This record gives sequence, structure tokens and C-alpha cells, in this order.
Amino acid sequence: QVQLKETGPGLVQPTQTLSITCTVSGFSLTSYYMQWVRQTPGKGLEWMGFIRSGGSTEYNSEFKSRLSISRDTSKNQVFLKMNSLKTEDTGVYYCARRVNSGYRYFDYWGQGVMVTVSS
Amino acid sequence: DIQMTQSPSSLPASLGERVTISCRASQGISNNLNWYQQKPDGTIKPLIYYTSNLQSGVPSRFSGSGSGTDYSLTISSLEPEDFAMYYCQQDASFPNTFGAGTKLELK
Repeated sequence: QVQLKETGPGLVQPTQTLSITCTVSGFSLTSYYMQWVRQTPGKGLEWMGFIRSGGSTEYNSEFKSRLSISRDTSKNQVFLKMNSLKTEDTGVYYCARRVNSGYRYFDYWGQGVMVTVSS
Repeated sequence: DIQMTQSPSSLPASLGERVTISCRASQGISNNLNWYQQKPDGTIKPLIYYTSNLQSGVPSRFSGSGSGTDYSLTISSLEPEDFAMYYCQQDASFPNTFGAGTKLELK
């Protein structure tokens, strides 16, 4: 069955870089768009960006040049990297799969990984 | 960006009650409106997509409606497992955006 699981560092210092891995099973990354969505106390749920089934990416301008999304299809993994972290980046980070029909919604989500930005 | 305003932010209700959650977009979104449920453990799942389409496996007591800028999610008869957070999301315009959420709690 379809499964997504995020793994990450838990605690990151301000100004440092966050790296999170989303490991998927039950489907191919080459057939689906994969999203990153975060949930913070200050802004609630925010769509961060996605990587298309073909490998190109789109980002929310809110994160400007801080964010990078990539993948390793051989390992069934999607990666989020975000630099210059601030305390307000503290929150839960989710990966999610977008349906590959004509509709645009997220049909499977990971459990989320809590990230705390603090010195 | 399109702003999504959900109401109410908190909704006390009883088992068996019919409830409605509203979501208003800052501009027309042409039915590109989805609803998600988040449980206290953080698990998120889709309920309704494109305004009124029920996600596979979701009970028929959930329904969605709306058009233009105004949309709603209705639960016809609350079950114990329905007490959770609910979020609307628009994907008509880039970037897609979420409402602030409605906490459905037991009265």
C-alpha cells in the first residue's frame, strides 16, 4: 500500500540548513508530483513546493531561494533542504503525494516530522 | 496569493448533530477547493476534492458544496471519530493556500 515517511533532525540551530527525507513505498516517484507542506504555529499549513513526476520543481515564493527539493528515484526518496533557518521555521514538515488525475489535491500524506529551530 | 478564510475557528457539537464549516476565498476559485481532516496525532487525510467529490473511503456523511468564493463542508451526523481539525485548500491559483482550520470539538 501507499506509504510516506519523513525523517529529519528534530533540532536545528538558527542560520543552519534543514534536511528532511521523505521515503515512499507503494508507488513510483516518476508517476506522481510530490509536495512539501509545513505547519507552523504562526502561519498554519503552508505549501512549500513540489517536484514533478518528470523531476522539475516549483517553489512557493515565500521561501524565495532558501528552499530546494530533489529526489532519488532509485531509493524512492524525496528531499527537502532549506537554509538560513529562523525560529519561525519551527513546525511540522509533511511530504504529500498529489493525485495524477486531472484534479489537484493531496491524496496521501506522511506522518510529519517535527522540527525545532533553536540555539 | 489567494487568502482562505475559514469559519468558525472552533465548533462545539454533539454526537449525531449536523454541522457545517465554511470557507471563503479572497477571489473566485472556480470550484478548485479541497477539504482535509487532521487528527490530534497529526495525521492528515483528504475528505473532499474539487468542491464536492468524496475521496475514496470517506463516509458518505461528509459532503461539500459551493461555488465562486464560498464553499462549505457538511457532516450530516457526527460520529466520535469526526472530532478533529478541518482545513480547506484552494488550488486554483499558485501557490495553493490553506484555511486556518476549524476545530470540531465535543460539546
